[in-house]
Amino acid sequence: AQSVTQLDSQVPVFEEAPVELRCNYSSSVSVYLFWYVQYPNQGLQLLLKYLSGSTLVKGINGFEAEFNKSQTSFHLRKPSVHISDTAEYFCAVSETGAGSYQLTFGKGTKLSVIP
Amino acid sequence: EAGVAQSPRYKIIEKRQSVAFWCNPISGHATLYWYQQILGQGPKLLIQFQNNGVVDDSQLPKDRFSAERLKGVDSTLKIQPAKLEDSAVYLCASSLGPLGTGVETQYFGPGTRLLVL
Repeated sequence: AQSVTQLDSQVPVFEEAPVELRCNYSSSVSVYLFWYVQYPNQGLQLLLKYLSGSTLVKGINGFEAEFNKSQTSFHLRKPSVHISDTAEYFCAVSETGAGSYQLTFGKGTKLSVIP
Repeated sequence: EAGVAQSPRYKIIEKRQSVAFWCNPISGHATLYWYQQILGQGPKLLIQFQNNGVVDDSQLPKDRFSAERLKGVDSTLKIQPAKLEDSAVYLCASSLGPLGTGVETQYFGPGTRLLVL
């Protein structure tokens, strides 16, 4: 069974500074990887996903993530954050070939952007 | 395109009462998921439907939780009787499907926030 570890539960960062949110996964088979964002009192919105191909994936709102198979990581980055990026970010994994494409989520990282 | 709709948005009940949540997926989406998100944790899958059939309900506490998707469109999730530990946000998601055609992106509704007193 797959699992996801988000190493930081909270990340404070100043506005316009870069940020990296870390995600590591565990699986015995190949995986698909996702980052979702959750604004207060809202559902989850897909930021980006890695299915195959280029390991550098670009998403919405200027976010990108890099899949590193050897380190089983999928860290999320943004070169310059904005106040509006304050939210909770979830990394998720699904196993390829499993048929059901169920998502397993990490516990989330709360990003707080400080003006 | 309309997103995933859920109602009610908030619900407060006392323990041992029953409660039901409703979800209407994006039009044309064959696969529907219910997740439970306890405060401070990521969402956990409760049940997955493909059209009106259950794909996986291995993490659904079947002694108190039930879900149905009778016509393969909207779905209801019921808890009877509720316990204190059921306090959580219940998220519904849908994806295009069907199974086996490739990874499908899941689109989430706003969730129903349940508080059991």
